[in-house]
Amino acid sequence: EAGVVQSPRYKIIEKKQPVAFWCNPISGHNTLYWYLQNLGQGPELLIRYENEEAVDDSQLPKDRFSAERLKGVDSTLKIQPAELGDSAVYLCASSLENGKRTGELFFGEGSRLTVL
Amino acid sequence: AQSVSQHNHHVILSEAASLELGCNYSYGGTVNLFWYVQYPGQHLQLLLKYFSGDPLVKGIKGFEAEFIKSKFSFNLRKPSVQWSDTAEYFCASTSYGNNRLAFGKGNQVVVIP
Repeated sequence: EAGVVQSPRYKIIEKKQPVAFWCNPISGHNTLYWYLQNLGQGPELLIRYENEEAVDDSQLPKDRFSAERLKGVDSTLKIQPAELGDSAVYLCASSLENGKRTGELFFGEGSRLTVL
Repeated sequence: AQSVSQHNHHVILSEAASLELGCNYSYGGTVNLFWYVQYPGQHLQLLLKYFSGDPLVKGIKGFEAEFIKSKFSFNLRKPSVQWSDTAEYFCASTSYGNNRLAFGKGNQVVVIP
């Protein structure tokens, strides 16, 4: 079974440029997450989707970050414009909640962003 | 807000030594607790989890963790480590009614052959 797929793996941009990350979750997983991981820190939730609905986006900086999950499958996370402090790894994860909170997330390999 | 604390961010030990990583969570109600592991160059993956029942949980690769409610702790242990256990280990928790998984800062473990 294919795991969570993210692209690109690495991205280097100059500040004020836009950037987008893509995630394809495990087939059948209804819940999708975007996490931010800074160096030396644990992942922090940016947004959680249940199907196509964003059910927890309270930690998403909405002035520059946006996300979508059209059709409740794959998702994109966009930053526009990027700032130096956005340099981090952006992790996508998915889970099959099915009405029962398991907390078991399956993570992708992440997209490492460097803003110059 | 719910939080998870991990101590001794960097741990270096020799093969066959015993490993114990501390984890403390802040929420006083019903919690679900997890340890995730990230091997070099790989994605985060679940090592073990606790929802209810026996407070001693056994996971993959010989790891175990003990839930001690009175101490708000969920420490990870392995009696004898191998070089292949070199990885970063993250403790995480969700609280009842809140599916947001809160992670600790992680423990970078290096096992010297």
